[in-house]
Amino acid sequence: QKEVEQDPGPLSVPEGAIVSLNCTYSNSAFQYFMWYRQYSRKGPELLMYTYSSGNKEDGRFTAQVDKSSKYISLFIRDSQPSDSATYLCAMYTGGGNKLTFGTGTQLKVEL
Amino acid sequence: GAGVSQSPSNKVTEKGKDVELRCDPISGHTALYWYRQSLGQGLEFLIYFQGNSAPDKSGLPSDRFSAERTGGSVSTLTIQRTQQEDSAVYLCASSLGHAQDTQYFGPGTRLTVL
Repeated sequence: QKEVEQDPGPLSVPEGAIVSLNCTYSNSAFQYFMWYRQYSRKGPELLMYTYSSGNKEDGRFTAQVDKSSKYISLFIRDSQPSDSATYLCAMYTGGGNKLTFGTGTQLKVEL
Repeated sequence: GAGVSQSPSNKVTEKGKDVELRCDPISGHTALYWYRQSLGQGLEFLIYFQGNSAPDKSGLPSDRFSAERTGGSVSTLTIQRTQQEDSAVYLCASSLGHAQDTQYFGPGTRLTVL
């Protein structure tokens, strides 16, 4: 079993829809949680960064962490075709040198 | 400013040949990471450099893989005697220092081993 599980999709939604992307994890030591967005043929770019449990909002994006359930989510409101990309969750314990990534969810927002 | 750059963008090689992949990190970033991204596998950590410290090589999948970072800047990932299972996108990232710092990724090198 992988430390971080993420549904690969693809997920297809109409423009304007609310999108929910999720990851579950098994390592209770994870404290830092990130969401990266990766466009086709590009490197990932950091979208959201949260520490410990709770919600964080940035424009149309909301990141949610539930450490008790070992579950994180990214919500995208009023989705746009430009949001079409692969979204990767990543986590870090606070020790060691590496992030642990999910496999990524491919999202397509259609006109 | 300039981001992380990688070269070549694409590399096709024959099984058994050696390849070298290059990464130019953001100026001033002391930390540099190499990852491998295979279809459906997510990003797999390979190696981490931090300043003048010994690199963390714990993610290298076999002794055919090696990496160096010269002068605390440019890094080269070398794969010897390439195998078909080495086909993947190899991504480089740099950051200010710690794993929780934002990592800035290059566009990757797409390696195809025939």
